[in-house]
This record gives sequence, C-alpha cells and structure tokens, in this order.
Amino acid sequence: EAGVAQSPRYKIIEKRQSVAFWCNPISGHATLYWYQQILGQGPKLLIQFQNNGVVDDSQLPKDRFSAERLKGVDSTLKIQPAKLEDSAVYLCASSLHVDTTYNEQFFGPGTRLTVL
Amino acid sequence: QKEVEQDPGPLSVPEGAIVSLNCTYSNSAFQYFMWYRQYSRKGPELLMYTYSSGNKEDGRFTAQVDKSSKYISLFIRDSQPSDSATYLCAMKAAGNKLTFGGGTRVLVKP
Repeated sequence: EAGVAQSPRYKIIEKRQSVAFWCNPISGHATLYWYQQILGQGPKLLIQFQNNGVVDDSQLPKDRFSAERLKGVDSTLKIQPAKLEDSAVYLCASSLHVDTTYNEQFFGPGTRLTVL
Repeated sequence: QKEVEQDPGPLSVPEGAIVSLNCTYSNSAFQYFMWYRQYSRKGPELLMYTYSSGNKEDGRFTAQVDKSSKYISLFIRDSQPSDSATYLCAMKAAGNKLTFGGGTRVLVKP
C-alpha cells in the first residue's frame, strides 16, 4: 500500500513570497490533516478535512494560510505572504475517517520550508 | 502551560539498556494515548496506542498510562542503535484531533 505522498520535499523562499505544498493521501482515506512542526517541537494541527469539507481549522493563521481539498482526495496548503516564523516542516497525514474511537493517522515525509 | 509536556532530552543510553520516556498532560478529556517515532527528515510513525489507563506490551516496547496522575510512559527494552530517533507522545479526546508533546530525542550508542 502506497503511503502519503508530499511534494516538494524542500523549499527555500524569501519572506513575503508565496509557497504551496501538495499532499496525496492514502487511497480511500477520507480524512486529511496538515500539521506544522517547528524545529524541536511536536506537530501542531493546522487544518483537518473530512472528504472535501473542513472539520477543524481553528489553529490555521487564516490571514496568510489557506488550504483546499477540492475533490476529496489531493490537498494543497498555501502560504501568502510567508514570514520568517513559518520556517518549519509541513506534514500531511491521512486516516480512514473521523470518529470517537481510535483511528490511526499515517504521516507523509513532510515538506521542509525555509524562509529567509 | 502546554497541554502535553515532554522532556526534550537528548537521552543517551548504551546499547542494550532500557529507555524510559514519559509525558504529562493537563486535559482530563484525553482518552487515547499514542507514541510515535520520528527519524530525522521523516514523518512520525505510530509505535503504540493505548485506550484509557493500563499497560500494553508489543515486543520490546511497553506503554503505560496512569490517568489518575495524568502521566504516560514508554519503555524500550534491549535498546538498539536503530532505536535512535525522536519519540513523540500524542493524545486525543473525542474526534481525531491529536495533541502532541514536543518530543524526546533518544540516542542509543553501540
């Protein structure tokens, strides 16, 4: 079974530029997550999709970050304009569905963003 | 105060030793407790999960949850150099939102 795919793996941009990340979840997984992991910290959830609807975006800085999952499969996360503090690894994860019991999340390798 | 606290380490042990990791948390609604392993430049991968209080064993790994103390632990027996990684605890209440600790970096020396 193929895992969660992400691209690009690395990106270097200057502050105030725009950047976009792409994620392809595991086939059949209805739920997709974007996390931000700053160096030395644990992942922090930015946004959670159930199919193509947003379940939780409470920690997404909506003035500069946006995400979409138009057809309920692939997703893109965009930052516009980027700030120095956005330097981090952006992880995408997917799970079969959302429910009140346990549902394993599978993580992709991440995109490492450096903002200069 | 963070919802989940984890000592960042690094924790350095000789090969064959027992590695002891732990996390404390403040949210009593957490019911599911996970341990993830993250190698450098890779995404986290699930090692173990436990529901509510109790112990769970899987090979060289043992996870313990004490909800009364809001404290969870992971023990790695007979540690190997390949166990060198960052270990993240994670927890969730209802729904599927995970709250992670900051991670503990572990180094197992041959």
